Amino acid sequence: SQQGEEDPQALSIQEGENATMNCSYKTSINNLQWYRQNSGRGLVHLILIRSNEREKHSGRLRVTLDTSKKSSSLLITASRAADTASYFCATAYGSWGKLQFGAGTQVVVTP
Amino acid sequence: DTGVSQNPRHKITKRGQNVTFRCDPISEHNRLYWYRQTLGQGPEFLTYFQNEAQLEKSRLLSDRFSAERPKGSFSTLEIQRTEQGDSAMYLCASSRSTTSDSPLHFGNGTRLTVT
Repeated sequence: SQQGEEDPQALSIQEGENATMNCSYKTSINNLQWYRQNSGRGLVHLILIRSNEREKHSGRLRVTLDTSKKSSSLLITASRAADTASYFCATAYGSWGKLQFGAGTQVVVTP
Repeated sequence: DTGVSQNPRHKITKRGQNVTFRCDPISEHNRLYWYRQTLGQGPEFLTYFQNEAQLEKSRLLSDRFSAERPKGSFSTLEIQRTEQGDSAMYLCASSRSTTSDSPLHFGNGTRLTVT
């Protein structure tokens, strides 16, 4: 079974709008990471937030983490057509930081 | 940083045949991971190496699957007696550090189709 669950499964927005996706997980974590995957390609790391952090920014990305609710959110501001991809949250846990992925949110940004 | 390289990109095989995939990680990365991804799902962990030592294997990795990383460099994943359920994208990733704070760098995967 997968550790993280993303919501929504799919998101369709227009260029310039913001995209928000959420991730819930089950066990205590070392950190939570977000990855992007374009169709037919490998995953690309976007941002990592440690368990003792609550918010992190990177460019147009904003990630929050609420360990009491075991949830995280990823906000992409001012979206572009190039942001069209699947986005996965991944939780690192255990002694060596095993990374487990959710099922992803498929984001489509139309011009 | 030339990135993680996987070969072949696509493999079509008949049920019952053996297949082998290769992964060349980023040269200074000591950790190497194999994941499997089916359509519409996230990657599922299969196994990982710290240098040449295989330190954990998922229960998903049946006896028909074997992975090696000789000399702590490239890695191979072999599937014996393939079944249709093995059809998936097989992803390799590597990371620099021994801590969980080091992000994974993924290759573009090998897509396996078993007919």
